[in-house]
Amino acid sequence: GAVVSQHPSWVICKSGTSVKIECRSLDFQATTMFWYRQFPKQSLMLMATSNEGSKATYEQGVEKDKFLINHASLTLSTLTVTSAHPEDSSFYICSARSYRDRGRFGNQPQHFGDGTRLSIL
Amino acid sequence: EDKVVQSPLSLVVHEGDTVTLNCSYEVTNFRSLLWYKQEKKAPTFLFMLTSSGIEKKSGRLSSILDKKELSSILNITATQTGDSAIYLCAVHGSSNTGKLIFGQGTTLQVKP
Repeated sequence: GAVVSQHPSWVICKSGTSVKIECRSLDFQATTMFWYRQFPKQSLMLMATSNEGSKATYEQGVEKDKFLINHASLTLSTLTVTSAHPEDSSFYICSARSYRDRGRFGNQPQHFGDGTRLSIL
Repeated sequence: EDKVVQSPLSLVVHEGDTVTLNCSYEVTNFRSLLWYKQEKKAPTFLFMLTSSGIEKKSGRLSSILDKKELSSILNITATQTGDSAIYLCAVHGSSNTGKLIFGQGTTLQVKP
């Protein structure tokens, strides 16, 4: 249970293009989704928290115009990296939470997708 | 400000050794502490600890929480090369959104 699907798993694109990453909860309704960024040999850095149907809350230092987050339904959130540049290359991970369904999945606060490795040339 | 600190940051051992990873925290309204293992993809859940002094065990891995000392340890006995990974500690604190505060991670390398 608590399957979170993230797509694509890796993407390579040219500088200046926009890249969209999808995060889907497959067997539960995700009332909250989280987006993380991870640099090599570092820990996860929370970028933003999004609740279904409302604007995302961004962490300090994260450009909201650069990283557009949409959480239009209870099973889908998207992160769009706009006008991507080489410094945006990183591993992006989403996670999902269902406050209502938490008892079904051992009360874990979040369930993680497999991540997206983004390389900007 | 909520904070989670892990130590050591990196560790190299040989197969068969036992390792102990540490995690200490300062958070408002502690709810739970979680341990994850991360290899090439996203973190894989290992344990969630909410009560002090109760050991959780899964095969060669075990973990325990000490709420008085605001810390937790993760033990791995008879290490294998497949245990090589980043081990992440995270704490679920006061936020009702389920927000996790992650430590820096411990990179474990197990040599044959």
